[in-house]
Amino acid sequence: DVKVTQSSRYLVKRTGEKVFLECVQDMDHENMFWYRQDPGLGLRLIYFSYDVKMKEKGDIPEGYSVSREKKERFSLILESASTNQTSMYLCASRTGSYGYTFGSGTRLTVV
Amino acid sequence: KNEVEQSPQNLTAQEGEFITINCSYSVGISALHWLQQHPGGGIVSLFMLSSGKKKHGRLIATINIQEKHSSLHITASHPRDSAVYICAVYTGANSKLTFGKGITLSVRP
Repeated sequence: DVKVTQSSRYLVKRTGEKVFLECVQDMDHENMFWYRQDPGLGLRLIYFSYDVKMKEKGDIPEGYSVSREKKERFSLILESASTNQTSMYLCASRTGSYGYTFGSGTRLTVV
Repeated sequence: KNEVEQSPQNLTAQEGEFITINCSYSVGISALHWLQQHPGGGIVSLFMLSSGKKKHGRLIATINIQEKHSSLHITASHPRDSAVYICAVYTGANSKLTFGKGITLSVRP
């Protein structure tokens, strides 16, 4: 089975801190995604990547950046964390067909 | 209007009941996913379908492409089925999924 691993389940950071959320997949997938999930809004796409060093903005990229230096790792970066970035963050990877595998999520609280 | 609508918004059932969760979408799709998320947990893909019907244990998913509608059925529901169920469609555009907002199912013992 494909595994998508997010490095932290829970994270508490202070306003203004730089925050790194890491995601690693073990199946050589080309496509990887970062979503945030908020009550009443569902999952919204922040950024995605088709391949190493390739990235594209999703629906809500403001305040975020990403890095994909190796195929298996896709990092989400909050340059200067703010309280409105408190959320559940989910990483996913996609096979060549339509199958998606999601990580366990990171619940980030910015205080 | 959202491209993916789910109904009902929230659902409470008694253990053993037959449950149906609906999903309607307004765009052409290549595939539809049913996803499950337990409280505090990650998301698990239950089904991916592009036509017809799929069954896995007590779960059945159907899709009607012409009517742009899919249903997820749970037979003999159990409290461990309590979770958020999310419908997501794959339109083929840039490999992105479009998600419904999810419905919260509570199954009482």
